[in-house]
Amino acid sequence: GAGVSQSPSNKVTEKGKDVELRCDPISGHTALYWYRQSLGQGLEFLIYFQGNSAPDKSGLPSDRFSAERTGGSVSTLTIQRTQQEDSAVYLCASSLEFVGSGSNNSPLHFGNGTRLTVT
Amino acid sequence: TQLLEQSPQFLSIQEGENLTVYCNSSSVFSSLQWYRQEPGEGPVLLVTVVTGGEVKKLKRLTFQFGDARKDSSLHITAAQPGDTGLYLCAGDWHAGTASKLTFGTGTRLQVTL
Repeated sequence: GAGVSQSPSNKVTEKGKDVELRCDPISGHTALYWYRQSLGQGLEFLIYFQGNSAPDKSGLPSDRFSAERTGGSVSTLTIQRTQQEDSAVYLCASSLEFVGSGSNNSPLHFGNGTRLTVT
Repeated sequence: TQLLEQSPQFLSIQEGENLTVYCNSSSVFSSLQWYRQEPGEGPVLLVTVVTGGEVKKLKRLTFQFGDARKDSSLHITAAQPGDTGLYLCAGDWHAGTASKLTFGTGTRLQVTL
């Protein structure tokens, strides 16, 4: 079946420009996450959507970052006035609605990411 | 902010060797997951461990969860070039939610012929 799809796969932009990154989660997955990964290191949590609940935005690094999820499906991560330190791979993941702790935790299914380069 | 430290950061070994990767924190996990990521792709789940002291095996990979649920290890027996990749542990800190799975710093493994 179709996995998580992200677009574009690569984006080069000039400092100060705005960018939009798109994520199409797996159909039926109600939870959607955005992470940022720099230089092949660990993943930094950005934002989390779960169904109709208010999103958890606690990981967004500044007010230049925002995200939306329309109709409980597609999500867009927007970075305004990009800076060179925003350069990274932005990963989106989705999972089934969480139904319990421990072994019932639904694993995250990741897309292949968008590599953003700010020049 | 909870921190998950992984060691070593980098590991280069020859085919057939054994290795162990560690994931440590000062906090207690509800559960812990291990992922592998290959260049140009997103991480892929390998295993989830839940119970303190739990050991899970996936072919040549053995995963162990510490008794106190603060640490975990991944042991690979007779490594093969196909094991090359970035190994990430990820901890779930809150019972009843997976809303902010926190990822470790990663261990980059290279297995050469």
